[in-house]
Amino acid sequence: NAGVTQTPKFQVLKTGQSMTLQCAQDMNHEYMSWYRQDPGMGLRLIHYSVGAGITDQGEVPNGYNVSRSTTEDFPLRLLSAAPSQTSVYFCASSPGRGKYEQYFGPGTRLTVT
Amino acid sequence: EDKVVQSPLSLVVHEGDTVTLNCSYEVTNFRSLLWYKQEKKAPTFLFMLTSSGIEKKSGRLSSILDKKELFSILNITATQTGDSAVYLCAVPRRTSYDKVIFGPGTSLSVIP
Repeated sequence: NAGVTQTPKFQVLKTGQSMTLQCAQDMNHEYMSWYRQDPGMGLRLIHYSVGAGITDQGEVPNGYNVSRSTTEDFPLRLLSAAPSQTSVYFCASSPGRGKYEQYFGPGTRLTVT
Repeated sequence: EDKVVQSPLSLVVHEGDTVTLNCSYEVTNFRSLLWYKQEKKAPTFLFMLTSSGIEKKSGRLSSILDKKELFSILNITATQTGDSAVYLCAVPRRTSYDKVIFGPGTSLSVIP
């Protein structure tokens, strides 16, 4: 099993550009989440999903969209990048149904200039 | 407002020392508490605790939960340089669905 995979590993965007961060898991997990991690701020939840077709907002959803058309994939879209979105982004999955341990992807380091 | 607090935020110890990391929480409809270790990359899962007073152990790491006082501790005995990492505490918040709230982490540095 590859576990949770994320692409790209690094990305530089100019202000106003849009892009999609890809996330996939092959563990048949129900739950998937996107976090951003900033120095001194810890991991903050952006969006999450409890199954295909079901998504909800986390703590910091503004400027991001998600969709979950399949169990495996959970892409994160930045609509119009801003310097405040410079961060490390982690995708995570967990089995759900009371099994809360999350498995994280390797992360994407995004810089917005 | 739900929150997870960790202390200390950073710690420097010598190899062989024993350390205790703290996590306290105020979270609606508490179900469980999880500990993760984050080295330079993504967090990796260590323990999940659901019952008070029952210690979870893995090698030199152990953890226990006190649901009455709303805290957990993570102990690391005979620390090694490979234990240097950020240790994260996380609590799922049960509403319609489970959202996981992370604490800020404790940065542990173990020096030879």
